[in-house]
Amino acid sequence: DQQVKQNSPSLSVQEGRISILNCDYTNSMFDYFLWYKKYPAEGPTFLISISSIKDKNEDGRFTVFLNKSAKHLSLHIVPSQPGDSAVYFCAASTGNQFYFGTGTSLTVIP
Amino acid sequence: EAQVTQNPRYLITVTGKKLTVTCSQNMNHEYMSWYRQDPGLGLRQIYYSMNVEVTDKGDVPEGYKVSRKEKRNFPLILESPSPNQTSLYFCASGGAFNYGYTFGSGTRLTVV
Repeated sequence: DQQVKQNSPSLSVQEGRISILNCDYTNSMFDYFLWYKKYPAEGPTFLISISSIKDKNEDGRFTVFLNKSAKHLSLHIVPSQPGDSAVYFCAASTGNQFYFGTGTSLTVIP
Repeated sequence: EAQVTQNPRYLITVTGKKLTVTCSQNMNHEYMSWYRQDPGLGLRQIYYSMNVEVTDKGDVPEGYKVSRKEKRNFPLILESPSPNQTSLYFCASGGAFNYGYTFGSGTRLTVV
């Protein structure tokens, strides 16, 4: 059973606007959450992470929000750029085991 | 350049023929892990290793073996591959308390 879910397989956004990617999880024992970006024919690249003791973490144009009561994670990209077009995976960990979502393909339209 | 190197990038093999996918990292990372990516299922963790001679099962370990005899290498072994192991495989490494893992470029395995 999928413990980490990304219910939107794809998302299209205009350049300069905000992209919001969402992720839901079921296991309340997850203590660390991450977002990875993946281009075709490449491995995933780490983007940003957040500990379960925080509710927000920001790094440049990327902000991750964590709502533990709702078991919901989101990634905000502002402003979106064409180079952000990729597949985004959210992941959650408990100890050294990691669980990934199925990915959301983001297309930023110039 | 800091990197995780997987070999081969592409492999087609027949059912039951033992194979090894190699993974090597040059960052002196303690943690290494293998994942498989399948359509509609995302990435699923197969095995991970916290250090030399320390390995543990991930979410989908059946049909796979690993070894960690040296810190830099973490090969994935399929003793008797089956068609349901056809997948895209990724190796990753990271420091002990750094969860921003570095992934290799992937190995696309087809078992016929």
